[in-house]
Amino acid sequence: GAVVSQHPSRVICKSGTSVKIECRSLDFQATTMFWYRQFPKQSLMLMATSNEGSKATYEQGVEKDKFLINHASLTLSTLTVTSAHPEDSSFYICSARMGQGWHEQFFGPGTRLTVL
Amino acid sequence: AQRVTQPEKLLSVFKGAPVELKCNYSYSGSPELFWYVQYSRQRLQLLLRHISRESIKGFTADLNKGETSFHLKKPFAQEEDSAMYYCALRTGNTDKLIFGTGTRLQVFP
Repeated sequence: GAVVSQHPSRVICKSGTSVKIECRSLDFQATTMFWYRQFPKQSLMLMATSNEGSKATYEQGVEKDKFLINHASLTLSTLTVTSAHPEDSSFYICSARMGQGWHEQFFGPGTRLTVL
Repeated sequence: AQRVTQPEKLLSVFKGAPVELKCNYSYSGSPELFWYVQYSRQRLQLLLRHISRESIKGFTADLNKGETSFHLKKPFAQEEDSAMYYCALRTGNTDKLIFGTGTRLQVFP
């Protein structure tokens, strides 16, 4: 089946620094990638949808200047948490989908971000 | 508002017992419902979608628009079914998935 990887799997950073998380589709071309955030014991919340070569569409309440998303190729999307603060600590999960219309989203393993 | 509710955080059963994981949704349009599963130390993966009307690993789910429910059922639970189960709603023609908070299923031997 289709595989999506995320790197790093875990990152700890100091408050005020920026952190980049990569999401790659390993064996298919992902026209669309999604970024989710999951707090402990809570559901996955969609942050943004990114289509290759165009600007990401952010969900209401998600600061686009805080969470920079780049989908430069059909196999790579990056999420950069800028000027991270402790409240940004969370589990970030990406998913990728091929084609248009309904296609299954394949999820990455997630990245645990801890901001000290 | 669009919402998915999974009222049970934890469901514990013994092997061989029937299982029903509840899911209710709130959406005024025509919904598309999914069940996703996350086994221990693994990533989230699609279990089934209501449009397919198929049984996966013995699990079935029927969309009941009158009750706005999409409960996941299995007549005889197995230990390997122990996992986190998320119900999700796709609205309209968008790609967005709205997830419930999940139910942890524990199947004891």
